[in-house]
Amino acid sequence: GEDVEQSLFLSVREGDSSVINCTYTDSSSTYLYWYKQEPGAGLQLLTYIFSNMDMKQDQRLTVLLNKKDKHLSLRIADTQTGDSAIYFCAEGEETGANNLFFGTGTRLTVIP
Amino acid sequence: DVKVTQSSRYLVKRTGEKVFLECVQDMDHENMFWYRQDPGLGLRLIYFSYDVKMKEKGDIPEGYSVSREKKERFSLILESASTNQTSMYLCASSLSPGSTEAFFGQGTRLTVV
Repeated sequence: GEDVEQSLFLSVREGDSSVINCTYTDSSSTYLYWYKQEPGAGLQLLTYIFSNMDMKQDQRLTVLLNKKDKHLSLRIADTQTGDSAIYFCAEGEETGANNLFFGTGTRLTVIP
Repeated sequence: DVKVTQSSRYLVKRTGEKVFLECVQDMDHENMFWYRQDPGLGLRLIYFSYDVKMKEKGDIPEGYSVSREKKERFSLILESASTNQTSMYLCASSLSPGSTEAFFGQGTRLTVV
């Protein structure tokens, strides 16, 4: 499969911003996704961005895409304890979710 | 809301047992997937299916098989469980090609002793 890399752990204080980073290798990616996995649960789609965009904002979430460097980031503003979870970056192609490649996941811990 | 349901949250099986993990989705999705999740390795695709009775190998199919007799149900089978198959197993479904979202079940944590 394709290579999608993330750092494994991130700790932030409540109220600060969190930035979770991801790098990928497949230049033909059409979609790039952020999924959230809360303890004991499956993954839920947080947000996604098309590869022809460089930024997407959705309430407290900002996704930045640097296609030249193949770098994706997720910024969470005003991080709350409920944001503590594992965040997975994934990339996929036009042909659909059967070509989704996931990163290792970043465990975000929010310190009260 | 789309619902993907996995039959068990936790399973403990003995080495050599045949194990069935069941997954059902209620949104008439064509694509269904089985992943395993291990710390530091992310999600790795075991098998997927894009239609009834159709299956394709993912990245790590060895030691597993699948069955899709009905559109809503996708089963993962461990023919002879081994300790290195101890893992979290996640089922997912999505619409036909072009979909931007996969919906996941809550996961089954399988321990093989």
